[in-house]
Amino acid sequence: EVQLLESGGDLAQPGGSLRLSCAVSGFTFNNYAMSWVRQAPGKGLEWVSVVSASGSTTYYSDSVRGRFTISRDNSQNTLSLQMNSLRVDDTATYFCAKSTGQYQLLGSFDSWGQGTRVTISS
Amino acid sequence: QSALTQPASVSGSPGRPITISCTGTSSDVGNYNLVSWYQQSPGKAPRLVLYEVTKRPSGISSRFSGSKSGNTASLTISGLQAEDEADYYCCSYVGTNALLFGGGTKLTVL
Repeated sequence: EVQLLESGGDLAQPGGSLRLSCAVSGFTFNNYAMSWVRQAPGKGLEWVSVVSASGSTTYYSDSVRGRFTISRDNSQNTLSLQMNSLRVDDTATYFCAKSTGQYQLLGSFDSWGQGTRVTISS
Repeated sequence: QSALTQPASVSGSPGRPITISCTGTSSDVGNYNLVSWYQQSPGKAPRLVLYEVTKRPSGISSRFSGSKSGNTASLTISGLQAEDEADYYCCSYVGTNALLFGGGTKLTVL
């Protein structure tokens, strides 16, 4: 059974930093690209970032580029998102999500974690 | 880039079909067959119901189908059931190494 479990969500101040993690099991982690998708309270889904299966390629949405860094540890089956220079509008539930196709970088997500809540407030 | 355009809400009676539209541009929906649809119940993670416009993941009912015409993709649910009540989001590759979601549609089963 595929399982994705996010952690690291917390209350942080504007300008601060947080690091999110996603522990995965149930599939061959190093064969699939992984993404972060967020959802502000009461709002829709927003794609944030993707990392390729090998970890060598990363892409970001315009709203987080230069502030967030996505990475993965294929030896530990973990995905991470380092979030710096946090802003109030980064407040959201952050989901990690597995790409549907092997080695497909950007397309669809067939497995999602339950999310971790990030609140940015002074 | 603005979200793909979806109706804010749709409703339908049990047993009847409903269709949810997702309108983009010739740079995203119209240019790539990489449209996916997600179902999200309150407090839950999204669930993939269609990908690459028309493909159903394992375990998704055949009542869910997809299509695309020009810059608009559509999700059709035939034989609506109470359990289908949820929020639905479309998503498309936008060609600049990014994905774009729609604003979401709240489906109410009357």
